[in-house]
Amino acid sequence: QVHLQESGPGLVKPSGTLSLICSVSGDSIDANKWWSWVRQSPGKGLEWIGEIYHLGSTDYNPSLKSRVTVSVDKSKNQFSLKVMSVTAADTAVYYCARQTVRGDFDYWGQGTLVTVSS
Amino acid sequence: DIQMTQAPSSLSSSVGDRVTITCRTSQSIGSFLDWYQQRPGKAPKLLIYTASTLQSGVPSRFSGSGSGTDFTLTISSLQPEDFATYYCQQSYITPWTFGQGTKVEIK
Repeated sequence: QVHLQESGPGLVKPSGTLSLICSVSGDSIDANKWWSWVRQSPGKGLEWIGEIYHLGSTDYNPSLKSRVTVSVDKSKNQFSLKVMSVTAADTAVYYCARQTVRGDFDYWGQGTLVTVSS
Repeated sequence: DIQMTQAPSSLSSSVGDRVTITCRTSQSIGSFLDWYQQRPGKAPKLLIYTASTLQSGVPSRFSGSGSGTDFTLTISSLQPEDFATYYCQQSYITPWTFGQGTKVEIK
């Protein structure tokens, strides 16, 4: 059974950097899959942030591209997210997810709430 | 970006009702359309991919149809555990985009 788990600080100060890790079990991060981050602002819909392929290729939402980095640590079977220069608008539940070659997200982490506040 | 428009934004139905949710895209995406269910406080769950293929383990009362720009999710007989919010997502081209959601509530 594939399992994803997000971890990281739940509170980040404005202008700081949001950093999250997604730990993957039941599948190899080196498999032929894409690994994504999706967020959901309180009471709002879903927004795709970015993704990484096992070979290291990345793709980002243009709306966030200048502030976002997704990277992978194969030795730990983890991938991570960094969002720089955060504001209150970045307050959201952040999910990591596995994306199939078809493009759908078939496994999701439980999500972690990150609040941007001083 | 491809814009996704779901209708209705919310609906009230009774157990046993047939429910239909539509999703329209701003450009043709073939069959690259997926549907998710999200219960309160939980992560989205994949129900249907490539417009009409049921994800493993999903009850057969869920079905999807459509191609091009117009898609439909149907629940043939609503069950208590189906009261949730449903999202469509296009998997045609990045940035991947989602509909705004349809909340299915108990009448």
